[in-house]
Amino acid sequence: DAKTTQPPSMDCAEGRAANLPCNHSTISGNEYVYWYRQIHSQGPQYIIHGLKNNETNEMASLIITEDRKSSTLILPHATLRDTAVYYCIVRVAGANSKLTFGKGITLSVRP
Amino acid sequence: EAGVAQSPRYKIIEKRQSVAFWCNPISGHATLYWYQQILGQGPKLLIQFQNNGVVDDSQLPKDRFSAERLKGVDSTLKIQPAKLEDSAVYLCASSFPGGSTEAFFGQGTRLTVV
Repeated sequence: DAKTTQPPSMDCAEGRAANLPCNHSTISGNEYVYWYRQIHSQGPQYIIHGLKNNETNEMASLIITEDRKSSTLILPHATLRDTAVYYCIVRVAGANSKLTFGKGITLSVRP
Repeated sequence: EAGVAQSPRYKIIEKRQSVAFWCNPISGHATLYWYQQILGQGPKLLIQFQNNGVVDDSQLPKDRFSAERLKGVDSTLKIQPAKLEDSAVYLCASSFPGGSTEAFFGQGTRLTVV
């Protein structure tokens, strides 16, 4: 699976949009981009995933560049409860596909 | 919908003792994962099952760790004998098979080896 690169940390103000970047320059055509987050002392939680097109759900939006070498997770109105470690993962399509975590980015939402 | 159940939530053992963790995945999920998460790091995949067959165990320290998934449902992960560096949170996750499906995680078991 292709590797991902994320900055180690970032912060944003409560109520503002949080834009979390991820680089995956070696991604292949059959690999999905996944985002999970992990709030302190809990198991990782799925947020969103996409292949080529931008995706939106009730939690977030995922913007994937046209060349698919990078993506951005957008939390439109960050709250204090969004403070967590966010993992960007590239995952190949297929029945035995692995889910490999990196170090993630720590998002701190300040009041 | 019931989530992934893990037990125990916490365990403290002395080094060289053995310990076992249990996981009950979401009903119908054929794929089951065990991860080890050391403090300050991302989860590391130890083993992945598809039904009761092992798909990947390349990062499982097989001299001391073992895992099984009898009947393709529940799973147990065992450490024998435990070392101090095994102190970590052990996470279980399950999903439908395939690279376009989300995995659901349990709360994890926090192991402390003293």
